[in-house]
Amino acid sequence: NSKVIQTPRYLVKGQGQKAKMRCIPEKGHPVVFWYQQNKNNEFKFLINFQNQEVLQQIDMTEKRFSAECPSNSPCSLEIQSSEAGDSALYLCASSLSEGQNTLYFGAGTRLSVL
Amino acid sequence: GDSVTQTEGQVTVSESKSLIINCTYSATSIGYPNLFWYVRYPGEGLQLLLKVITAGQKGSSRGFEATYNKEATSFHLQKASVQESDSAVYYCAANSGTYQRFGTGTKLQVVP
Repeated sequence: NSKVIQTPRYLVKGQGQKAKMRCIPEKGHPVVFWYQQNKNNEFKFLINFQNQEVLQQIDMTEKRFSAECPSNSPCSLEIQSSEAGDSALYLCASSLSEGQNTLYFGAGTRLSVL
Repeated sequence: GDSVTQTEGQVTVSESKSLIINCTYSATSIGYPNLFWYVRYPGEGLQLLLKVITAGQKGSSRGFEATYNKEATSFHLQKASVQESDSAVYYCAANSGTYQRFGTGTKLQVVP
């Protein structure tokens, strides 16, 4: 069973509000991924880190989204000004390496933007 | 660009019957991606079912099998005899550079 811990499980925000979610990767996994899964079950890759450094991120992430993986603290994903279209399941996963290895997922944070 | 396609959104199969869930991939940025099947059982998180990293090889787990077919760029999931406990959502994935791309999932419902 995966030991990736995501909090909170559910998050409800109004439009324009900040939304922050956290992730503790599996012990010993240096790579962390954030995905957004929308109501159509489409996975959108947002950003990944190796240790504290960003490996890759998409354009959307560079604008309203911010993420970090500080040393000895949970990783976090924050939406600065939530929009209705941000309502989705946000999945954190960790791995031993970039894309080639198995991803270990947390249970996800379900964000609802009213 | 790179993508993973699952054509069936939902499949209903009778218990003890055979199953095939289709998956095709397009990998322009990387020649031969690693291929994965993940599963989400009701009330649980997404977890690996099986993976294959070498073209032509077959992976298996819990009675499921998938063969990496590089000519057809396919990675279909099969099981000879499904059980009710196999009811879940199955996702095909392929690595594309530094991250994995996922299909939209196939919900399997096994009925008595």
